[in-house]
Amino acid sequence: DIPVTQSPSSLSASVGDRVTITCRASQNIRNFLNWYQHRPGKAPRLLIHTASSLQSGVPSRFSGSVSGTDFNLTISNLQREDFATYYCQQSFSTWTFGQGTKVEI
Amino acid sequence: QVQLVQSGVEVKKPGASVKISCKASGFDFRNSGLVWVRQAPGQGLEWMGWISAFNGNTQYAEKLQDRVIMTTDTSTNTAYMELRRLRSDDTAVYYCARRREGADYWGQGTLVTVSS
Repeated sequence: DIPVTQSPSSLSASVGDRVTITCRASQNIRNFLNWYQHRPGKAPRLLIHTASSLQSGVPSRFSGSVSGTDFNLTISNLQREDFATYYCQQSFSTWTFGQGTKVEI
Repeated sequence: QVQLVQSGVEVKKPGASVKISCKASGFDFRNSGLVWVRQAPGQGLEWMGWISAFNGNTQYAEKLQDRVIMTTDTSTNTAYMELRRLRSDDTAVYYCARRREGADYWGQGTLVTVSS
């Protein structure tokens, strides 16, 4: 397994804010990193695949980037429906998820 | 459109087995991979494993590989996940999802409660 460390575990924000969530893998995973949104009572939703590719149908305020060994999910102009828990997930080897980041008002 | 529809709520006693189904439509199931993910109450997402519907190859999470079996039936476009020797910490919502670059379409989830 390749653990992925996600931070922060939670954050408080307001509508219109820009927020960034970071995920770091314990070894080189190239660009095999995906991001999901999970709302209570709903199935997870794929937002970003292969580090920076926006999944079809996902609003462009979501973006993914890589900086060295850090993978970032940025949400620009936060909307009310974006308050949820976000997970990174590496697919370089047997999949592992980050611990999750709860985005709260 | 792509859909994955899972079977309903299950309540099981410790030591029993559970088998969840995931019926697919709207895509080429025979040439696809399916992943299974679970979420225990108050916990994060946990990858359980995946199966190729093309050749039946599987890969399981190490902690589950002695208790989990994933199968597919290409005649009905259905994937199955069986978990044996259930314990209380197997109480969770179980999801199937299509495996692409990530998991791009998900089932609605199946709640499994393990309690004596």
